[in-house]
Amino acid sequence: AQKVTQAQTEISVVEKEDVTLDCVYETRDTTYYLFWYKQPPSGELVFLIRRNSFDEQNEISGRYSWNFQKSTSSFNFTITASQVVDSAVYFCALSEDGGSQGNLIFGKGTKLSVKP
Amino acid sequence: ETGVTQTPRHLVMGMTNKKSLKCEQHLGHNAMYWYKQSAKKPLELMFVYNFKEQTENNSVPSRFSPECPNSSHLFLHLHTLQPEDSALYLCASSPRTGRGANVLTFGAGSRLTVL
Repeated sequence: AQKVTQAQTEISVVEKEDVTLDCVYETRDTTYYLFWYKQPPSGELVFLIRRNSFDEQNEISGRYSWNFQKSTSSFNFTITASQVVDSAVYFCALSEDGGSQGNLIFGKGTKLSVKP
Repeated sequence: ETGVTQTPRHLVMGMTNKKSLKCEQHLGHNAMYWYKQSAKKPLELMFVYNFKEQTENNSVPSRFSPECPNSSHLFLHLHTLQPEDSALYLCASSPRTGRGANVLTFGAGSRLTVL
């Protein structure tokens, strides 16, 4: 069965610190997709990244980077030099290519608080 | 307007009331979704519509009744709800369903409180 685990419920850091949000997933499919979404206090989930199961290259986008490791079924998200505007709840999600209607299976989210 | 718009943003209703949540997308997408976000559970998929046709009902109680008159609009009709139905209801859209690569675009949600 599919499952996404975000073990960190809440993280608090001081501005300019680096922070890594962990995500571990379970799936039996060989073709699947992993996502990260950000939910600021305003409520809407904002898409950050999508990675397919055949592409294990790490990705960097500005201060954001993602480390995908199939060997450990993890897709971790690192924010470098965090800023107050990064404060939000971050969700990792899994979608299987053969899954129901492309349904996203979400983790419970990690609430990140960045203090000035 | 752009993106996915949900109204109302906040709703308080009694258990005997009937109300509706509205979602509108201006992205030209063909698939629309309702998700429920409650405090103690991960985001849960409720319904999926593809080209106005309901393609998934994730065992949602009948007191929630979705309606999709066209690919741009999605409603969630609410009646005789329970206090445990209090949650943030998120609408999302995507170009289509049926593939795991879909990127969903979410609205800001409707915060529902059932008294």
